[in-house]
Amino acid sequence: AQSVTQLDSQVPVFEEAPVELRCNYSSSVSVYLFWYVQYPNQGLQLLLKYLSGSTLVESINGFEAEFNKSQTSFHLRKPSVHISDTAEYFCAAYQGAQKLVFGQGTRLTINP
Amino acid sequence: GAGVSQTPSNKVTEKGKYVELRCDPISGHTALYWYRQSLGQGPEFLIYFQGTGAADDSGLPNDRFFAVRPEGSVSTLKIQRTERGDSAVYLCASSFVGGREQFFGPGTRLTVL
Repeated sequence: AQSVTQLDSQVPVFEEAPVELRCNYSSSVSVYLFWYVQYPNQGLQLLLKYLSGSTLVESINGFEAEFNKSQTSFHLRKPSVHISDTAEYFCAAYQGAQKLVFGQGTRLTINP
Repeated sequence: GAGVSQTPSNKVTEKGKYVELRCDPISGHTALYWYRQSLGQGPEFLIYFQGTGAADDSGLPNDRFFAVRPEGSVSTLKIQRTERGDSAVYLCASSFVGGREQFFGPGTRLTVL
């Protein structure tokens, strides 16, 4: 079974609409969870992370994700997207001490 | 400050050739990681260095792949007898010891013809 699963390979939305990118993890990974973003022709950047404490974590550009232990999920949400949010988003978790395991990615496309 | 840098940004080679990919981590980061990202996939772990030694090389696909970090800073990923299936973006990341955030470089796009 996939350790980190992103259920949608592509998500098209209109500008200013809300969006949710789904991520589920298996018991084979730790609950140190991350969302990385890859803008066109750029490297991976950390968007937000859950290590412990509050289950709701936020980024500086309006994204948030909620760690849900019972549903083994870490879905990413934004209430109103902008054209500049067009990118590929990767969910990741640690497997073992230092090895990050990534989902297959979700391509977010914003239509005007 | 400077981030993780990788050279070259693009490498085109012929099947059977040898290639070297270089990674310069963030200054002071003792942990260094290599990942491989194939088209349409998420990055996959290859190898992790703590200082000069490879602490976990379980992701290297076969013995054609080898990586070194002789002085605990710059690392080189070496691929012998390249195959078309080795074509991918090779990503390097670094972190502080015990740090949970890995900082990624821009990657090297390897194309094997």
